[in-house]
Amino acid sequence: AQSVTQPDIHITVSEGASLELRCNYSYGATPYLFWYVQSPGQGLQLLLKYFSGDTLVQGIKGFEAEFKRSQSSFNLRKPSVHWSDAAEYFCAVGHSYNQGGKLIFGQGTELSVKP
Amino acid sequence: DTEVTQTPKHLVMGMTNKKSLKCEQHMGHRAMYWYKQKAKKPPELMFVYSYEKLSINESVPSRFSPECPNSSLLNLHLHALQPEDSALYLCASSQVIATGTTRTLGQFFGPGTRLTVL
Repeated sequence: AQSVTQPDIHITVSEGASLELRCNYSYGATPYLFWYVQSPGQGLQLLLKYFSGDTLVQGIKGFEAEFKRSQSSFNLRKPSVHWSDAAEYFCAVGHSYNQGGKLIFGQGTELSVKP
Repeated sequence: DTEVTQTPKHLVMGMTNKKSLKCEQHMGHRAMYWYKQKAKKPPELMFVYSYEKLSINESVPSRFSPECPNSSLLNLHLHALQPEDSALYLCASSQVIATGTTRTLGQFFGPGTRLTVL
């Protein structure tokens, strides 16, 4: 069955430090992968996506993610975290259209940023 | 216009009320979605509309009734809800690629409606 695992429920980093959020997926075909960010009480904002091609994808707000097929991973990184990055981060894999284009979400990782 | 709008932002209703949530997008997307999200949890898919037709209903109780009047608009009609239905209701839309292996290009979410059922 298709699934997404985010092993870290909560991560705290210091402002200015680097960040890596982990995401592992289980999907039969080539996955479409996404990272979303959600600030408290807000909707989800698409940070970046991977469909094919270059396995290192750049997103908004200085985020990047690397697709590693051999490890079934799609980890999110940022070289220097800002206090405004504190939020909930969701990794997701996208189903094919004939299954409605459904997104399968991980459980989320809450990021706290220390001053 | 690259956003999904939702109204109202907040809604408080009694268990006997009838209310509706509204979602609108002007990005030309032909797939639209309703999600329910509880605190500290990922969104749970409720309904998918594709080309204005209901394509997926994730076994949602009939007290939730979706409607897609046109390609830009999606409504969720609420009736006789329970307190456990209190949640953030998110609408999303996506472009659909009509190819041999059709996929969506990622969903764009609205800010949500915070629903409280008393």
